[in-house]
Order: sequence, then structure tokens, then C-alpha cells
Amino acid sequence: DQQVKQNSPSLSVQEGRISILNCDYTNSMFDYFLWYKKYPAEGPTFLISISSIKDKNEDGRFTVFLNKSAKHLSLHIVPSQPGDSAVYFCAAYGSGNTGKLIFGQGTTLQVKP
Amino acid sequence: NAGVMQNPRHLVRRRGQEARLRCSPMKGHSHVYWYRQLPEEGLKFMVYLQKENIIDESGMPKERFSAEFPKEGPSILRIQQVVRGDSAAYFCASSPRLAGKHNEQFFGPGTRLTVL
Repeated sequence: DQQVKQNSPSLSVQEGRISILNCDYTNSMFDYFLWYKKYPAEGPTFLISISSIKDKNEDGRFTVFLNKSAKHLSLHIVPSQPGDSAVYFCAAYGSGNTGKLIFGQGTTLQVKP
Repeated sequence: NAGVMQNPRHLVRRRGQEARLRCSPMKGHSHVYWYRQLPEEGLKFMVYLQKENIIDESGMPKERFSAEFPKEGPSILRIQQVVRGDSAAYFCASSPRLAGKHNEQFFGPGTRLTVL
């Protein structure tokens, strides 16, 4: 069962515009969420996170929003830059406190110059 | 401070052979996680180890797969009698302590296993 879902496999935006990547989850016990960015032939790198006690977290051009009632989070990138072109994974820490990350399928973002 | 290192970066095996994937965590990190990414999918947790101990192996296939993290040396993910379905990218991550609310996991570049 896919507990973290990214339903859009790809997204294309123009440089300077906003990119919005979406993520849904099914397990209401999840209380901490992360976004990772991945370039081809590299490992994922941490981008931004949010605790379930918050509904927004901002870091420079990146903002993550959490809607607990809808079990939905989104990553906003503004303004988008060509270097942001990558695969973005949404992830949540699983139950059991073992640090196990549960990833979504990923969304490939292409930012066009 | 070098990041998480994985070798080999690419590994080709024929069906029935053994694959050994190595992961050297970041200096000072004693917690290691292995994930597998099948084509067109996200990363799936396999196993979590601390030095000399397997803490959570709930994502490991029941047969042919094993992992260790000895007192000295890298963590090893071993796949015996590989099959074509084992072809994937295998990522290792490390953290200085139990990864949780404020401790991120740092990922290596991955090993791409191809089974012919």
C-alpha cells in the first residue's frame, strides 16, 4: 500500500514562475514530513521539512504547506530556476521510531529558461 | 568531511550470482539505512542498522537478502542468487543518531545494480 503518494509524475514551469508540487498521505499517525531533491545519478538531498504541529515552513525560495485534515502537503518554489530541475520526493517518518522514511513516487520538475 | 560513500557505483551481475554493495557512512555516524529504488518508483526502506546490530529489517525480502554493519568497516548489503527483479538503485543513508524529527538522513550516491 502506498502511504505517501505523489500523483503527478511530472511538472513543467517557466523560469521565474511558481512551482507547486503536491503530496498526499494516508496514515494519520505521520507527524513529520520531508522533501528531498534528487538529480540523476545522485542520492537524494534534504530540502525542507515540516512538523505536524505547524502548517507552514519557509526556507528561502522553498515553502512547505501542511493540511492535516486533508492529509495533504505541498512544496512551493518561487521563483523557479532552471537549476531546480530535478526529481522531488515527499517523505514521512514511519511508525516505530526507527527513522524509517516512507517516500512518495516522486515528481520530475522541469524549469524552462 | 566526506559524505556517505557507496561502492561500486555500478554493478552488473548475471542471474544466480551474488551482489555485494558497500556503504561507508559519514564520519561520526553510527546509524545506517538501506533503501531500494525500482525503476519509475520512489525509494523503499529495506533495513536499519546500528554498529553490529540490525534494528529494523521490516523492508528486507525474506530470502536472499542480508545486511550487516560490523564494528569496523563499511555496511554491506548482500544479495545472493540475484534475479532480474533485483535490478534497481540501492541507496544507503546515515545519521549521527536515530533519525527522527530533527535529524536528517544523509544519502550516498547509490549503487546501480543490473542483473543480466
